[in-house]
Amino acid sequence: EVQLVESGGGLAQPGGSLRLSCVASGFPLRSYWMSWVRQAPGKGLEWVANMRQDGGEQNYVDSVKGRFTISRDNTKNFLYVQMNSLRAEDTAVYYCARLRGGVWYFDLWGRGTLVTVSS
Amino acid sequence: QSALTQSASVSGSPGQSITISCTGTNSDLATYNLVSWYQHHPGKAPKLLIYEANKRPSGLSNRFSGSKSGNTASLTISGLQAGDEADYYCCSYAGYSTSVIFGGGTKLTVL
Repeated sequence: EVQLVESGGGLAQPGGSLRLSCVASGFPLRSYWMSWVRQAPGKGLEWVANMRQDGGEQNYVDSVKGRFTISRDNTKNFLYVQMNSLRAEDTAVYYCARLRGGVWYFDLWGRGTLVTVSS
Repeated sequence: QSALTQSASVSGSPGQSITISCTGTNSDLATYNLVSWYQHHPGKAPKLLIYEANKRPSGLSNRFSGSKSGNTASLTISGLQAGDEADYYCCSYAGYSTSVIFGGGTKLTVL
């Protein structure tokens, strides 16, 4: 089955760190751009970060630049995001999504993992 | 960059048609034909409905259709069904550094 499954969410303190993982199955991760998208409680979707197939290009929303790092392991079919210096406003459900580079749409999503930043 | 603008809510009765609009700027919708639409039932994975403004993924019902004119994109759902009750988001490419931006979402209620 073609799917994405996120893990690694939980409770973190302000200033703390978390690493989220996303495992892809049913397709080769190495063939696709991948992204993280989040949804804060009661809010809409917000794109967070992209990474090209070979990891050579990355983009981030301004609010996470310098704090979040997207990475991937194409041999294991995993996508990651390392989140440092977490803030209360980073509290959200984080979705892993497959991005069609060049035409810029997300054609496959995971169900998300909840990150709560609170003391 | 600010989110695309969508109305907060829309409603319709079973069998009716509704249209959700999404307004952007010269930096996104007006410049690129790369707008997509997603259906999101809370607690589930979002689902692609429309890409490149008016294309449907293979296997998706033709009750869903999209269009774009200038800086406004629209999603039309015809023959409303109870299962269509969900949140709907538009999304547009916005250039190299910004990548993509979403609309604020529209909650569809089927009466």
